[in-house]
Amino acid sequence: DTAVSQTPKYLVTQMGNDKSIKCEQNLGHDTMYWYKQDSKKFLKIMFSYNNKELIINETVPNRFSPKSPDKAHLNLHINSLELGDSAVYFCASSPVPGELFFGEGSRLTVL
Amino acid sequence: AQTVTQSQPEMSVQEAETVTLSCTYDTSENNYYLFWYKQPPSRQMILVIRQEAYKQQNATENRFSVNFQKAAKSFSLKISDSQLGDTAMYFCAFLFFGNEKLTFGTGTRLTIIP
Repeated sequence: DTAVSQTPKYLVTQMGNDKSIKCEQNLGHDTMYWYKQDSKKFLKIMFSYNNKELIINETVPNRFSPKSPDKAHLNLHINSLELGDSAVYFCASSPVPGELFFGEGSRLTVL
Repeated sequence: AQTVTQSQPEMSVQEAETVTLSCTYDTSENNYYLFWYKQPPSRQMILVIRQEAYKQQNATENRFSVNFQKAAKSFSLKISDSQLGDTAMYFCAFLFFGNEKLTFGTGTRLTIIP
């Protein structure tokens, strides 16, 4: 049973396209996150939701729009993709602050 | 804003040896949490160990232990009897008490040599 699952695991797309990444957790956690890991492995938080409400919105271009239809799902939509968006995007959920359960990541490559 | 520094980009040790990964952080706060996360080559990150700043006792989880020096703002991870499965990126992370935003260090790539 996968605890935090992300789809797709790989995306390759052209600049200017729009793409979405879906995330689902079956752990019953109230809080979910999106993190971005760049080519140097640096991890940075993008968004956090608690029970469908946005609680953290870092300085992220507004081309990135998260959506949480329910507390088990947190999707990430990216408009007008740019080369610099190439990264691995991790979804995570947590029962308590700091203790994150991560998905396997979605590697986005923008050509 | 707090910063988390991992000064060792890469390390390697022989299997069964003990290895210590360094982490320092900068904060003016008194209440916070510190964590070590492991990211194996398969990419999925997992929590290794957690330390509350108000606790003087160092956290331990089986072969993993920390040396938490609050005054020095240092939080190192010791892996005893290292195993091949310990090969991974290790990230130190900081969290303010009452906050949800986890700040990660730049990571240390650890390789266990057979």
